[in-house]
Amino acid sequence: QVQLVQSGAEVKKPGASVKVSCKASGYTFTGYYMHWVRQAPGQGLEWMGRINPNSGGTNYAQKFQGRVTMTRDTSISTAYMELSRLRSDDTAVYYCARDLVYDILTGYQDYWGQGTLVTVSS
Amino acid sequence: EIVLTQSPATLSLSPGERATLSCRASQSVSSYLAWYQQKPGQAPRLLIYDASNRATGIPARFSGSGSGTDFTLTISSLEPEDFAVYYCQQRSNWPPGTWTFGQGTKVEIK
Repeated sequence: QVQLVQSGAEVKKPGASVKVSCKASGYTFTGYYMHWVRQAPGQGLEWMGRINPNSGGTNYAQKFQGRVTMTRDTSISTAYMELSRLRSDDTAVYYCARDLVYDILTGYQDYWGQGTLVTVSS
Repeated sequence: EIVLTQSPATLSLSPGERATLSCRASQSVSSYLAWYQQKPGQAPRLLIYDASNRATGIPARFSGSGSGTDFTLTISSLEPEDFAVYYCQQRSNWPPGTWTFGQGTKVEIK
């Protein structure tokens, strides 16, 4: 069965960086785009960007351009999202989520990780 | 950036009732719209994609309709497990730098 298992909660100081991992299993990792979505406490969902695990190609939401980097390690079927220059309003649960269709970027996400809480506080 | 506006913010209904949720886009997204369900402490779950296609394993009581700027998610008869927050999401823009979600509609037990 498809599973996305994310790394544990993080506490960071303003200005620091955080790197969240997402280990995939139960499907061909390189066959499906991976998205990253975040959710601030009590707020809605915010799409951050996506990576093509096969090519490593990325697209980021304009809001995060210059601060976010999405990478992958195909040898261990793991995707990463690194966010730099953290601010207090980056406090959120960060999700990885697999795209719906094999080898096609649909923009829809059918399998989600359990989420990683990143707290930014001085 | 395309803004999605969901209404109402909260819908108070009883089990067995019909729920009708609305999502309006600030400009046309064709049929490139999805609906997700999220329960407290859980990740979202994809219900509907491309406006009207049910995702795998989604019960038939969930249906989606609409195109252009106006979309509707209908739950024909609410089950206890359907009380949750529902989000719409558009993926119309290309390149995918501005895909957006609505702010959510909470369906609560009356």
